[in-house]
Amino acid sequence: DSGVTQTPKHLITATGQRVTLRCSPRSGDLSVYWYQQSLDQGLQFLIHYYNGEERAKGNILERFSAQQFPDLHSELNLSSLELGDSALYFCASSVEGRGHDEQYFGPGTRLTVT
Amino acid sequence: GEDVEQSLFLSVREGDSSVINCTYTDSSSTYLYWYKQEPGAGLQLLTYIFSNMDMKQDQRLTVLLNKKDKHLSLRIADTQTGDSAIYFCAETPDNDMRFGAGTRLTVKP
Repeated sequence: DSGVTQTPKHLITATGQRVTLRCSPRSGDLSVYWYQQSLDQGLQFLIHYYNGEERAKGNILERFSAQQFPDLHSELNLSSLELGDSALYFCASSVEGRGHDEQYFGPGTRLTVT
Repeated sequence: GEDVEQSLFLSVREGDSSVINCTYTDSSSTYLYWYKQEPGAGLQLLTYIFSNMDMKQDQRLTVLLNKKDKHLSLRIADTQTGDSAIYFCAETPDNDMRFGAGTRLTVKP
């Protein structure tokens, strides 16, 4: 158990809908990262938040947004969902967010868009 | 090309050494990483190497970095069945993190 929690574990929804994925980092970690893992695209970095502020952005679509709250939990919002958004979404946390900080990964949320 | 490249599959016998290779794209990457993903789990950081190093050893793991060729390798000595997993290399250009497609390592008893 990494100490990072993600909810829900599984999510099935229809195209065009909007969903929110939630992540609670390990106690004391200030950084949260979001990743998408799919068969087509492999593992892709989406976005990184540090202490409530966006620090880096990867291949995140405009239909997706994220935020980190004062209690350091983070939410990833996915809207106007398409079939291709079906994937495993991981969040990870690290102490500070420096380049070599170890990232601890949550178990993931499996999103299925039908 | 623009992708971090890895071969997709590697099969070794228990007790042998495994070498997983990776070609990355951005010479400005400060750190290069190796992650392990076991079935149904998230990624686990195995090791990383700073870009000004050629080699890093950590118990059974040896990372070699050839900056000229943008080539990174991970050697696992005395490979065990518990090492069966997918291994991802990753580079870090511009505060981003870019992963290879992953190499599925199968260890046969």
